[in-house]
Amino acid sequence: DVKVTQSSRYLVKRTGEKVFLECVQDMDHENMFWYRQDPGLGLRLIYFSYDVKMKEKGDIPEGYSVSREKKERFSLILESASTNQTSMYLCASNWGLNTEAFFGQGTRLTVV
Amino acid sequence: DQQVKQNSPSLSVQEGRISILNCDYTNSMFDYFLWYKKYPAEGPTFLISISSIKDKNEDGRFTVFLNKSAKHLSLHIVPSQPGDSAVYFCAASGRTSYDKVIFGPGTSLSVIP
Repeated sequence: DVKVTQSSRYLVKRTGEKVFLECVQDMDHENMFWYRQDPGLGLRLIYFSYDVKMKEKGDIPEGYSVSREKKERFSLILESASTNQTSMYLCASNWGLNTEAFFGQGTRLTVV
Repeated sequence: DQQVKQNSPSLSVQEGRISILNCDYTNSMFDYFLWYKKYPAEGPTFLISISSIKDKNEDGRFTVFLNKSAKHLSLHIVPSQPGDSAVYFCAASGRTSYDKVIFGPGTSLSVIP
């Protein structure tokens, strides 16, 4: 059974903190993605990675960075958390172009 | 500017009737389209997909139709069941840079028993 696991379901952090969201997939997928989901805006792509140590900006990369040191792990980093980064964060992975993506269960991040 | 649009934020349908969810896209480079279903507090799960070389794909109660000239696709659920109540996201990918998958804003479907 394929699995994408996000390290936390719920997180509460203070403004200005550095925040790490971790994602691990066990399917040997090439691509990994980070999205955030906000009401009325759907899923917006923050960053994605098509190989180890490779990354590409998505549509809303400002205030975020990522790390992919191993194929199975993709981390999202909020350098200095702000209240407008309060959101549901979703990690996903897939084999490559035109294949379905598998999602983690999501991390609900609240920045106070 | 949204490249994938779902203009109906919500839809209510009686159990047993047909649900039709619509999606429009603007980028003619998209050549693969997917529908995902999402329950609250869970990640989206893949439902059905269609390649641009087809105009219809069917999987059980779910059928996706693609009209390339209109840049429009739709998801039909027949018959609708209460368990189908969820948010449905349309997504597109293709010959854009790398393997980006672009999602629409979602349509919340309520199936009334």
